[in-house]
Amino acid sequence: EVRLEESGGGTVQPGGSLRLSCAASGFDFRTYWMHWVRRAPGKGLEWVAHITDDSSRRTYADSVRGRFTISRDNIKNILYLQLNSLRADDTAVYFCARTRDATLDVWGRGTLVSVSS
Amino acid sequence: SYELTQPPSVSVSPGQTATISCSGHDLDRRYTSWHQQRPGQSPLLVMYHDKRRPSGVPARFSGSNSGNTTTLTIIETQAVDEADYFCQVFENTTAVFGGGTRLTVL
Repeated sequence: EVRLEESGGGTVQPGGSLRLSCAASGFDFRTYWMHWVRRAPGKGLEWVAHITDDSSRRTYADSVRGRFTISRDNIKNILYLQLNSLRADDTAVYFCARTRDATLDVWGRGTLVSVSS
Repeated sequence: SYELTQPPSVSVSPGQTATISCSGHDLDRRYTSWHQQRPGQSPLLVMYHDKRRPSGVPARFSGSNSGNTTTLTIIETQAVDEADYFCQVFENTTAVFGGGTRLTVL
């Protein structure tokens, strides 16, 4: 079964940091491009970051560039998102998703990040 | 940056047909996907390449793309279809989402 499972969310104060993980199973992780997408309370889906299969290229939304870093470990089959300098408007459920056939075809269950003092 | 526009809400009676639109400049030159998100759940791909249905998605779901508008159609709508629906395209490696449409089955 193809599966993505996020972890690492929690409550953090403004300015704090978190590292999210996304464990992949059931497919050849090292051959797929991957994304992080978030959904803030009362808002829609917002794309956050992308990484190619070999980590040669990474792209970020303007809202997170310079604060968030996407990475992956193709041996452990894990996708990461390092969140630094967190702000209240980063509060959201964060999802990892796989790219295939020019779409996001598999999504994880999400992990909640809450930024509050 | 590229933008996609959806109506905020659509209402339909059980058994009737729901139509959700998504508009963007020259949208027919891009592949559009549709993602369903029920309350408290993760998004689920229900349509890709404009009109291709992933395995497991009921045949009640169909898609089309013409000009600047992509449409997701659900015939014989059921209560289980009540959810937020997001259209999505890629702009290079960036995923662009529409604002989402809340489908209410009254």
